[in-house]
Amino acid sequence: TQLLEQSPQFLSIQEGENLTVYCNSSSVFSSLQWYRQEPGEGPVLLVTVVTGGEVKKLKRLTFQFGDARKDSSLHITAAQPGDTGLYLCAGARTGTASKLTFGTGTRLQVTL
Amino acid sequence: DTGVSQDPRHKITKRGQNVTFRCDPISEHNRLYWYRQTLGQGPEFLTYFQNEAQLEKSRLLSDRFSAERPKGSFSTLEIQRTEQGDSAMYLCASSLGPLAYEQYFGPGTRLTVT
Repeated sequence: TQLLEQSPQFLSIQEGENLTVYCNSSSVFSSLQWYRQEPGEGPVLLVTVVTGGEVKKLKRLTFQFGDARKDSSLHITAAQPGDTGLYLCAGARTGTASKLTFGTGTRLQVTL
Repeated sequence: DTGVSQDPRHKITKRGQNVTFRCDPISEHNRLYWYRQTLGQGPEFLTYFQNEAQLEKSRLLSDRFSAERPKGSFSTLEIQRTEQGDSAMYLCASSLGPLAYEQYFGPGTRLTVT
């Protein structure tokens, strides 16, 4: 059973387009992180959200944590080829603050 | 401030052999985690340490797997009698403090069992 479902699984877009990646669960998370991973490398932390309804912006990336702390979204504005990679959401479940549960990932390809 | 480092980056071994991986966390980080990532999947939690104490182990960590963090600094993950199903990326992460978020990952060790 996958606790965190990401959609879409794959996304191929052209430079300049906008996109949104979703991360959904039926479980409540005390915090949720977004990572980006390049092939053959470890995940790199992009952002952490901890408050229901929280919105964080990181340049062209906007992250939102759902009011009920069960879901999150990542929106990229004007995508660039450098945004290409595997985007992973990961959450720390309430009461199990010792480990992260990862989503299945969204593979993004941005072409010129 | 150097990041999390892992050694080796790649390991190819024959089925039945033992392998050992090393992880050096960010200095001053008292928590260290091991994850496994198979192709096309997100990482899955294996185990974690607070200082030298191993506080939680996943059911994924069979008897063939053992992890240590003897002095509360670096950690090793050993797999005995490797099987082809052990082929994966083994990721190490560290964090400062008791909260799971803000974990910083190393580059991983890619294991291929032939």
